[in-house]
Amino acid sequence: EDKVVQSPLSLVVHEGDTVTLNCSYEVTNFRSLLWYKQEKKAPTFLFMLTSSGIEKKSGRLSSILDKKELFSILNITATQTGDSAVYLCAVASHTGTASKLTFGTGTRLQVTL
Amino acid sequence: KAGVTQTPRYLIKTRGQQVTLSCSPISGHRSVSWYQQTPGQGLQFLFEYFSETQRNKGNFPGRFSGRQFSNSRSEMNVSTLELGDSALYLCATHEGRFSYNEQFFGPGTRLTVL
Repeated sequence: EDKVVQSPLSLVVHEGDTVTLNCSYEVTNFRSLLWYKQEKKAPTFLFMLTSSGIEKKSGRLSSILDKKELFSILNITATQTGDSAVYLCAVASHTGTASKLTFGTGTRLQVTL
Repeated sequence: KAGVTQTPRYLIKTRGQQVTLSCSPISGHRSVSWYQQTPGQGLQFLFEYFSETQRNKGNFPGRFSGRQFSNSRSEMNVSTLELGDSALYLCATHEGRFSYNEQFFGPGTRLTVL
């Protein structure tokens, strides 16, 4: 059965700190790994990674994928209170005509003043 | 472009009843996926529909079913509701089969089963 594990489960940091969120996976027919941010309701897309070793960046957020070791990290530098959210990692897989996203349970990040 | 719409937003039902949830995708999006989100299990995949055909189904009992219409709108139905079905039900839509980087989630329907 496909599995995505995120760590830590929750994290409290001070504004300005740098955080690293981890995601490991065991998925058959891997296609891509995605990161989402979920604040109150709908998750919003952050990154999609398909190739190992290529860092994706968006402002203070960056992410990288290691397909050999089957994990990804999401870094947030100079954290702000607006970064407080649940960060979800998901792996897209497909077999023939079937495709799906398998999600981890998320890392709850709280940024305090 | 209007976003993904889900109706109703909140729903309270009792055990044994059935419920139908609706998802209207962004214009041009033909793929609709449904997820169940609970505090303990996180987001779990229910089904994926593309061009009116169910392409994949998650590990949920047969009480959970769905369909997609020719305008890409999708519905999911849960029959014989159980307490454990209380959850946030999210749908997500994207244009192509695998364009997950362009997948957008709706606001969800929060179902409470009493």
